[in-house]
Amino acid sequence: GAVVSQHPSWVICKSGTSVKIECRSLDFQATTMFWYRQFPKQSLMLMATSNEGSKATYEQGVEKDKFLINHASLTLSTLTVTSAHPEDSSFYICSASPPAGGGRAYNEQFFGPGTRLTVL
Amino acid sequence: KNEVEQSPQNLTAQEGEFITINCSYSVGISALHWLQQHPGGGIVSLFMLSSGKKKHGRLIATINIQEKHSSLHITASHPRDSAVYICAVGYNFGNEKLTFGTGTRLTIIP
Repeated sequence: GAVVSQHPSWVICKSGTSVKIECRSLDFQATTMFWYRQFPKQSLMLMATSNEGSKATYEQGVEKDKFLINHASLTLSTLTVTSAHPEDSSFYICSASPPAGGGRAYNEQFFGPGTRLTVL
Repeated sequence: KNEVEQSPQNLTAQEGEFITINCSYSVGISALHWLQQHPGGGIVSLFMLSSGKKKHGRLIATINIQEKHSSLHITASHPRDSAVYICAVGYNFGNEKLTFGTGTRLTIIP
């Protein structure tokens, strides 16, 4: 099956620093990647939708200047948490969606293993 | 706005029991996903379906489009099935944004 990786798997940083999280589709090209955030004992919340070569679309309430998303290639999207604060501590998950065709259907998404961010 | 509700929120069962987790949604969808999240956090996609029934090993997923309801069944449950099971729906073909349920925490006791 299709594999999505994330790096790092966990990160601890000081308040005010920036953290970059990478999401890679390893064996397919992802025209669309999604970034989610999950707080303890809560469900996943979509932060933004990232399309290769265009600006990301952010969900209501998500600050685009704080959560910078770059989908530079069909296999890589990055999320940078700028000037991180303790309230940004969360589990960040990406998913990647290949184009339909080749046996794959629309709406198919493959999830990364997640990155746990702790801001001190 | 599409709401996704799962039941039960928590489920504890003995090894070997037949497990059913339910998911209901409020508006028409293009596809429904069942996901598994283990304590470490990583998510595995179990099924994506838009009609009928799918089976993979001991897992079975069904969906009733008219009733806007889906069920995930686990036969011969095992402690390694212990995880959070999440239902998510996509409601726009070609736009794969998902709306997630709050999850069902399943614990299988040996």
